[in-house]
Amino acid sequence: SQTIHQWPATLVQPVGSPLSLECTVEGTSNPNLYWYRQAAGRGLQLLFYSVGIGQISSEVPQNLSASRPQDRQFILSSKKLLLSDSGFYLCAWSVQTYTQYFGPGTRLTVL
Amino acid sequence: EDKVVQSPLSLVVHEGDTVTLNCSYEVTNFRSLLWYKQEKKAPTFLFMLTSSGIEKKSGRLSSILDKKELFSILNITATQTGDSAIYLCAGPNFGNEKLTFGTGTRLTIIP
Repeated sequence: SQTIHQWPATLVQPVGSPLSLECTVEGTSNPNLYWYRQAAGRGLQLLFYSVGIGQISSEVPQNLSASRPQDRQFILSSKKLLLSDSGFYLCAWSVQTYTQYFGPGTRLTVL
Repeated sequence: EDKVVQSPLSLVVHEGDTVTLNCSYEVTNFRSLLWYKQEKKAPTFLFMLTSSGIEKKSGRLSSILDKKELFSILNITATQTGDSAIYLCAGPNFGNEKLTFGTGTRLTIIP
């Protein structure tokens, strides 16, 4: 069966520091991968999605970037965090269907 | 632009009550509609609806789609405190693999 991992689970970072969040999927090949952010009390905002290695589509222009170095690995990065980057970051996958399955998430607090 | 609107935004009921959550959508070239339950962490998949008028059921939860009216409802009967969560509705965008999420309905069940 498929599983999705995200780490770290929680993160507290100062403004201006870099960020790297990692997501890996097991038990499937060539998944579509997604990064979402959920601010407190808000809905899910799609940040990036990828349909294959090295293929990244950006939904929201901002100081975040994403990379997909391997088929089942998706990384979210920033060179310099802003206060507004605080939120709950979710990775999701799908294969040959519209149904997306979410990882456990990373709660990021920028101080 | 694709749009998914959920109502009510929040709902507080007593244990044992029956609730109905609403989702209306304007999605180009509609394919399906999905419901998720989000407790403290990641959303978990509940239902995917593709055919109008056909009810999907899982235990005390059921959902139905009205393609003509661009509307779906999620019913929960004999509610329990474990049903307390945010319920999210989402519609896929035709031509790619993205989902547009509504802002969710926060359901609170009082013992």
